[in-house]
Amino acid sequence: EAQVTQNPRYLITVTGKKLTVTCSQNMNHEYMSWYRQDPGLGLRQIYYSMNVEVTDKGDVPEGYKVSRKEKRNFPLILESPSPNQTSLYFCASSPYTGTGTDTQYFGPGTRLTVL
Amino acid sequence: GEDVEQSLFLSVREGDSSVINCTYTDSSSTYLYWYKQEPGAGLQLLTYIFSNMDMKQDQRLTVLLNKKDKHLSLRIADTQTGDSAIYFCAETSGITFGKGTHLIIQP
Repeated sequence: EAQVTQNPRYLITVTGKKLTVTCSQNMNHEYMSWYRQDPGLGLRQIYYSMNVEVTDKGDVPEGYKVSRKEKRNFPLILESPSPNQTSLYFCASSPYTGTGTDTQYFGPGTRLTVL
Repeated sequence: GEDVEQSLFLSVREGDSSVINCTYTDSSSTYLYWYKQEPGAGLQLLTYIFSNMDMKQDQRLTVLLNKKDKHLSLRIADTQTGDSAIYFCAETSGITFGKGTHLIIQP
């Protein structure tokens, strides 16, 4: 089954404790992306990657890191989480054709609470 | 930069039609999308329209695109309680999303 998986689905942590949210897709997609969703602000892009070893900042990259060592995985790293990073996080992937026809497939979301 | 605007809330009575509106700024968008997010769930692609089309119909869903005014709408006919969700408009150039419209169904 074609899908995007994220782990963990729920995480409560404390300020400053490094964490990683994993994202994996089995569709051989080139493009992967991380979003955060906050009430009243909708979805905002954190980082994206157009292919292995190619990553770029989105609209709200501060406080986050990503890596793309393999095509299927795109982990989101919070080196020193802060309470303002409490949010719902979505990973997404799509085939990158550059034609603007690229439907995104979303993971189920990770609800992060930073105390 | 690119911007996508939507109203935050829409309330309709069950059985009526719902019309969710969206405006965007990037005229180079090739496709425009509607995503649906049900309570406690992730986002799913609902429908999309190619920028050279004016209208697309898919069962109870009708998408209208006014490219001149950069206005996109999603009409849901015979709205049901299962349609209660947040609907996100998105354009492709930067994959920019609107803030989402909460569709509230009144019995």
